[in-house]
Amino acid sequence: DAKTTQPPSMDCAEGRAANLPCNHSTISGNEYVYWYRQIHSQGPQYIIHGLKNNETNEMASLIITEDRKSSTLILPHATLRDTAVYYCIVNSDDSWGKFQFGAGTQVVVTP
Amino acid sequence: GAGVSQSPSNKVTEKGKDVELRCDPISGHTALYWYRQRLGQGLEFLIYFQGNSAPDKSGLPSDRFSAERTGESVSTLTIQRTQQEDSAVYLCASSWTGGVLYGYTFGSGTRLTVV
Repeated sequence: DAKTTQPPSMDCAEGRAANLPCNHSTISGNEYVYWYRQIHSQGPQYIIHGLKNNETNEMASLIITEDRKSSTLILPHATLRDTAVYYCIVNSDDSWGKFQFGAGTQVVVTP
Repeated sequence: GAGVSQSPSNKVTEKGKDVELRCDPISGHTALYWYRQRLGQGLEFLIYFQGNSAPDKSGLPSDRFSAERTGESVSTLTIQRTQQEDSAVYLCASSWTGGVLYGYTFGSGTRLTVV
C-alpha cells in the first residue's frame, strides 16, 4: 500500500512555478520524503529528498510541513521538458529500495 | 558504461514462452533492483541484490519469476511460461551501497508484450 497521496494530474504554464502537493500522514520519524519524476518512455529520475528541513537543489525545492504529514515539491520555473509523472515516496534510509511508487501526479506544462 | 543498460529494449513473445531480460548496472554499483511498471501505473518492486548477500525476492509476483546476478555485474530476470498479465515495462536500477534513494540510477527499461 502506498504511503503517499498525490493528485492524479495538474497543469502548469511554462515559466510559472509548479507546486506539487503530497500527503504522507502516516510517515514515521526515520522516513525520508523523496521525489522522483518519470518522463515518457524513460526510467525514473531522482529529484530531491528531505527528512524535516526544507531542501533546495538545482532542480527543485522541497517544503515539508512542521508535522511532516505533507510536503510540496516546487519547480520554480517550469519548462516544457518538465512534463512528466512526479512520484512522492516515503522510505526509511535502511529500506534498500523496498518501497512502492504510487500512481504519481501527471504534470503537463503548456506553452 | 555511463548508465544502466537494459536489453532488449522491446520484446514481444507468445503466451507460454520463457523470456530473459538483461541489466548491466553502472560499474561499481553494489546494489541492483528490478521493478515492473504496468501501463499507466506506478513502479512495483520485484527484487534487489546487494553485493554477495542473498537477494530480497519478496516482490516477485509468482514462482514463474526469477532473477540472478553474478557478483556485482550483470543481472538477468527470467519469466517462465509468460502470461498476458506479465506485459509491462521492466526497469532495472543500480546504486552504491547505502539505502538512500538518490543513489538510484534507472535504465530505460524493457517493454515486454505477451501476445
